[in-house]
Amino acid sequence: KQEVTQIPAALSVPEGENLVLNCSFTDSAIYNLQWFRQDPGKGLTSLLLIQSSQREQTSGRLNASLDKSSGRSTLYIAASQPGDSATYLCAALPTGTASKLTFGTGTRLQVTL
Amino acid sequence: DTAVSQTPKYLVTQMGNDKSIKCEQNLGHDTMYWYKQDSKKFLKIMFSYNNKELIINETVPNRFSPKSPDKAHLNLHINSLELGDSAVYFCASSQELGPLHFGNGTRLTVT
Repeated sequence: KQEVTQIPAALSVPEGENLVLNCSFTDSAIYNLQWFRQDPGKGLTSLLLIQSSQREQTSGRLNASLDKSSGRSTLYIAASQPGDSATYLCAALPTGTASKLTFGTGTRLQVTL
Repeated sequence: DTAVSQTPKYLVTQMGNDKSIKCEQNLGHDTMYWYKQDSKKFLKIMFSYNNKELIINETVPNRFSPKSPDKAHLNLHINSLELGDSAVYFCASSQELGPLHFGNGTRLTVT
């Protein structure tokens, strides 16, 4: 059974700092690894999706990496801004039919002025 | 235009009542989902439909019954509501193995 863990649970950084969010998963047999952000009272917004054959994906100031052999993914945020404050969740999609995206518990990020 | 929309946004009701949450997506996706987010913010899948066919049915009480009249709609009906059903329910859709697109959630409070 796939388990996804995110560390730290909460993080506070000053504006402008570069930061890394960590995600680990127990079963490396995955189709992809997805990163989302969730703002308070809102749904999840897809940020990046890394296919199992890929090592990283980039979108603007965001870069996500995937190391299947070690069961880890990281989300790197460059030059953080107060608008980046949100909860960030990673989710792994296991291989197999009717596979279920398994979510981590999230990292709550606060970027301060 | 909202890609995945669900109604209502808030639902406050008493124990024992029956309620429904509606979801519609205009992305042309084949697969739709219902997720439950509990008070600790943990997201867990409840159901998944692909082209109106149920493909994932997690261990949820049979008081919860999804219905997909067409591939753009997936509704969730809940009978005999209990206090423990209070949570935020999210609808989502995806195409094959692509990223999930979520609605803004329905906050259900059972009193």
